[in-house]
Amino acid sequence: ILNVEQSPQSLHVQEGDSTNFTCSFPSSNFYALHWYRWETAKSPEALFVMTLNGDEKKKGRISATLNTKEGYSYLYIKGSQPEDSATYLCAFAYNTDKLIFGTGTRLQVFP
Amino acid sequence: DTGVSQNPRHKITKRGQNVTFRCDPISEHNRLYWYRQTLGQGPEFLTYFQNEAQLEKSRLLSDRFSAERPKGSFSTLEIQRTEQGDSAMYLCASSLSPGNGYTFGSGTRLTVV
Repeated sequence: ILNVEQSPQSLHVQEGDSTNFTCSFPSSNFYALHWYRWETAKSPEALFVMTLNGDEKKKGRISATLNTKEGYSYLYIKGSQPEDSATYLCAFAYNTDKLIFGTGTRLQVFP
Repeated sequence: DTGVSQNPRHKITKRGQNVTFRCDPISEHNRLYWYRQTLGQGPEFLTYFQNEAQLEKSRLLSDRFSAERPKGSFSTLEIQRTEQGDSAMYLCASSLSPGNGYTFGSGTRLTVV
């Protein structure tokens, strides 16, 4: 059974703090690793799609790294803002583009 | 194009009834996916279409579940003889190619009473 694990399950930070989450996935048969942000009452929104070992991607204050050999990815948020409050999902694709999702990290940023 | 559209947003049904959900993907996306999410879990894969062909179906999908995508455009997901365990958020997503992220709809929340 292919499993994607995310930690921590939830996180509460103050505005301005930087934070990071971890996603662990099987290191064999890797095709791609996706990160999504899911705000309450909205649709999940794609942040990054990463395919190459050592890949680093950045979008504004959010960045992600990928290690396919050891099977992990980190998502970093620099200077968290209240509007960053959401559930962050990672998803692993093996061989095809069907995704296996983790249970997510729920981030709450307090002003 | 306003993104992926799902209808209805909410559905409450009595156990044993049939329900059907609709998903309208982004028009140029040939791939369409259905996922189900229950409380505290990540989205679980149900089925996947490339154009009108249903290429994969999860073992989670019992024979009470069926999905179609006639003409490779919108898709429907039908659940027959609903059970309380079918209560979940049903998410539809579409994508243009394997290297692209998914565009999700807002989901249909099903409650079986």
